[in-house]
Amino acid sequence: EVQLLESGGGLVQPGGSLRLSCAASGFTFSSYAMSWVRQAPGKGLDWVSVISASGGSIYYADSVKGRFTISRDNSKSTLYLQMNSLRAEDTAVYYCAKGRTSVKSSPFDYWGRGTLVTVSS
Amino acid sequence: EIVLTQSPGTLSLSPGERATLSCRASQSVTNSYLAWYQQKPGQAPRLLIYDASSRAAGIPDRFSGSGSGTDFTLTISRLEPEDFAVYYCQHYGISPLTFGGGTKVEIK
Repeated sequence: EVQLLESGGGLVQPGGSLRLSCAASGFTFSSYAMSWVRQAPGKGLDWVSVISASGGSIYYADSVKGRFTISRDNSKSTLYLQMNSLRAEDTAVYYCAKGRTSVKSSPFDYWGRGTLVTVSS
Repeated sequence: EIVLTQSPGTLSLSPGERATLSCRASQSVTNSYLAWYQQKPGQAPRLLIYDASSRAAGIPDRFSGSGSGTDFTLTISRLEPEDFAVYYCQHYGISPLTFGGGTKVEIK
């Protein structure tokens, strides 16, 4: 059974940093692209970043480019999102999502339950 | 950036009725790389349709997708009580991989 378990969310002040993790199990992690998608309270889905299976291709939404860094450790089956210079508008539930293939051009066939990030003073 | 516009914003229907949801792209979607997701309150989204018309694993055949280029449709042939939710379209051909604003299907 595919499982994605996010962790690392919490309350942080504007300008602060957080590192999210997503522990994956139930599939060959190193064979699939992975993404982060967020959802602000009461709002729609907002794609954040994607990383290919090998880690060689990475893309970001313009809203987070230069502030967020996606990475993966295939030996640990874990996806990461380093978030710096956080703003109030980054407040959201952050979901880890598995791509259906190894490349970025892939829909998300499994999702974690999400971790809440709140940016507030 | 491809902007996806979903309509209507809210669809009020009764169980057993047919639901037709629209997703219009600001430019042509590469290779029909268009997906539909269902999200219920407090839950993560679930993949329904990918490549515009392929059903994901375990999805009932009352859900179908169609379209190409810039116009796509999700059809639910007969609404079941568990189908009342919010539905999002998403393209995944080129970065950024944007989502539409969503259509809420509510009980009339």
